[in-house]
Amino acid sequence: EDQVTQSPEALRLQEGESSSLNCSYTVSGLRGLFWYRQDPGKGPEFLFTLYSAGEEKEKERLKATLTKKESFLHITAPKPEDSATYLCAVQQIIQGAQKLVFGQGTRLTINP
Amino acid sequence: ETGVTQSPTHLIKTRGQQVTLRCSSQSGHNTVSWYQQALGQGPQFIFQYYREEENGRGNFPPRFSGLQFPNYSSELNVNALELDDSALYLCASSGGGSNIQYFGAGTRLSVL
Repeated sequence: EDQVTQSPEALRLQEGESSSLNCSYTVSGLRGLFWYRQDPGKGPEFLFTLYSAGEEKEKERLKATLTKKESFLHITAPKPEDSATYLCAVQQIIQGAQKLVFGQGTRLTINP
Repeated sequence: ETGVTQSPTHLIKTRGQQVTLRCSSQSGHNTVSWYQQALGQGPQFIFQYYREEENGRGNFPPRFSGLQFPNYSSELNVNALELDDSALYLCASSGGGSNIQYFGAGTRLSVL
């Protein structure tokens, strides 16, 4: 069974203080690793998808990287509006369906 | 905005009742997936529909059922509601040659 573990569960940073969120996974044949952002009471918002070790993608203050066992979401000089829960997921194929297996998320708070 | 819309936004039911949640997919998407998200947890896969057929199911009992219509909109039905069914129910659509799932804002179901 594919598994996804995110750490830390919660992280508080000062505005401008860079850090990284971790996503460890065990999967038989990676078909894609996805990062989403979720604001309270809303659905997950797609950020990135990575497919092979060594791949990197960037969007504004966020950069996602991938190794064979984990992914990192690096946040550089964050602002209060970056506060959200960040979810990591791997794609699994079951009975023909493309299922996402999610971690429990990292709740990020950026203090002004 | 992802173009995925869900209704209603909030719903309160009592134990034993039945509920129907609705989802309209993004234009051009022919695949709809449903997820259950308990408070503080990552979303859990319920099932997926492709071209009006269920093509994969997670670890949910048969009282969770669904439909997909010719216009690719979808319904999630839950019978004999239990207290543990209280959660945010998320619909995601995908298609057009991409495996990225785009989520709606969700329906918050409370079972009393």
